[in-house]
Amino acid sequence: NAGVTQTPKFQVLKTGQSMTLQCAQDMNHNSMYWYRQDPGMGLRLIYYSASEGTTDKGEVPNGYNVSRLNKREFSLRLESAAPSQTSVYFCASSTELSTDTQYFGPGTRLTVL
Amino acid sequence: AQTVTQSQPEMSVQEAETVTLSCTYDTSESNYYLFWYKQPPSRQMILVIRQEAYKQQNATENRFSVNFQKAAKSFSLKISDSQLGDTAMYFCAFMNIEKLTFGTGTRLTIIP
Repeated sequence: NAGVTQTPKFQVLKTGQSMTLQCAQDMNHNSMYWYRQDPGMGLRLIYYSASEGTTDKGEVPNGYNVSRLNKREFSLRLESAAPSQTSVYFCASSTELSTDTQYFGPGTRLTVL
Repeated sequence: AQTVTQSQPEMSVQEAETVTLSCTYDTSESNYYLFWYKQPPSRQMILVIRQEAYKQQNATENRFSVNFQKAAKSFSLKISDSQLGDTAMYFCAFMNIEKLTFGTGTRLTIIP
């Protein structure tokens, strides 16, 4: 039982490049989330998916898109990376939205030059 | 919008001592959940403890306990018999129907 897994662990991009961060969970959770963590700040919600087939914007969605591929997988795409998107990205999942504990993946450290 | 405030950016304590980390939050709601997460140098976010606002009894998990004061909107974490492995960033978080909101964290160092 791996919990929440994320790939890649590290990535360096040049400004304007695109990439997709992958997330998968094996806990049969309905809800999944993407956060970013910047120095001196707590985690901020980018997008979330309450259940398979639905996605919604969080606090900082600009510059990102998401896809809930199936119940297990939730990907985050940067279409045209900018230096302001340099951050650590966390995926999380929970049984249900809003009432259940969220469990986090190990994070992806992304640097945009 | 809900806010979560952790007023202690850094703390340090001797091994085996007890330490309390502070957290306050602002909300007009009566039904919500509160969490403490630990982030060691490995960067993994690990759940430490969870408290439901409708429960008066303070949550406890082994050496970790909380002091939940609903009227004061305070949610502090007490770590007893601190161990070197407790060295980490600790984040307080508030959850309502909208989302999970994090504080800015307290960096805790356990000194041998």
